[in-house]
Amino acid sequence: GAGVSQSPSNKVTEKGKDVELRCDPISGHTALYWYRQRLGQGLEFLIYFQGNSAPDKSGLPSDRFSAERTGESVSTLTIQRTQQEDSAVYLCASSLLRGGGVTDTQYFGPGTRLTVL
Amino acid sequence: GNSVTQMEGPVTLSEEAFLTINCTYTATGYPSLFWYVQYPGEGLQLLLKATKADDKGSNKGFEATYRKETTSFHLEKGSVQVSDSAVYFCALSPTGTASKLTFGTGTRLQVTL
Repeated sequence: GAGVSQSPSNKVTEKGKDVELRCDPISGHTALYWYRQRLGQGLEFLIYFQGNSAPDKSGLPSDRFSAERTGESVSTLTIQRTQQEDSAVYLCASSLLRGGGVTDTQYFGPGTRLTVL
Repeated sequence: GNSVTQMEGPVTLSEEAFLTINCTYTATGYPSLFWYVQYPGEGLQLLLKATKADDKGSNKGFEATYRKETTSFHLEKGSVQVSDSAVYFCALSPTGTASKLTFGTGTRLQVTL
């Protein structure tokens, strides 16, 4: 079946502009995650949506970052007033939820490469 | 907090050589441990995982054993191929409700003929 998809694949923007990144999870996956991968670094957790529960926003680096998810489908990550340090690959992942709220293996999308000039 | 430390790359090996990529972690309780791989131009893929101490994850000839006593999850392969050239990430997720993954910085492997 279809995997996690993300759009756009590449985004170049000017400093100070707002950007929206989209993630379509695997159908039926109730958990959805956003990560950021800066050049030469590991992935940093940003935010996690689990079904209808309140999202875990503990990884968002500033109030310029926000994310929404409509039900158990599409999610949008929004970065307001972009800065050069926001340049990174933004990865989305989704997973099933097993009993007791334990999440299953995370499947990653191809990522959106954001470049802030 | 949780953290993952893996050996820095790049690691360059000849085909059929033995591979070890070290990974150690810091976490409370008994986290689940993962190796993810990112092939050139592709997304991140789960390679193998282990969910409790002494478990061995294996896939595509790669193995890693969850060592609680040394807090390690080293990745090994007996005979690498050129097609194994990729970036390898060690990661953990917390015990119980799991959720977010904590990743190491990645190790680039280059296999030559």
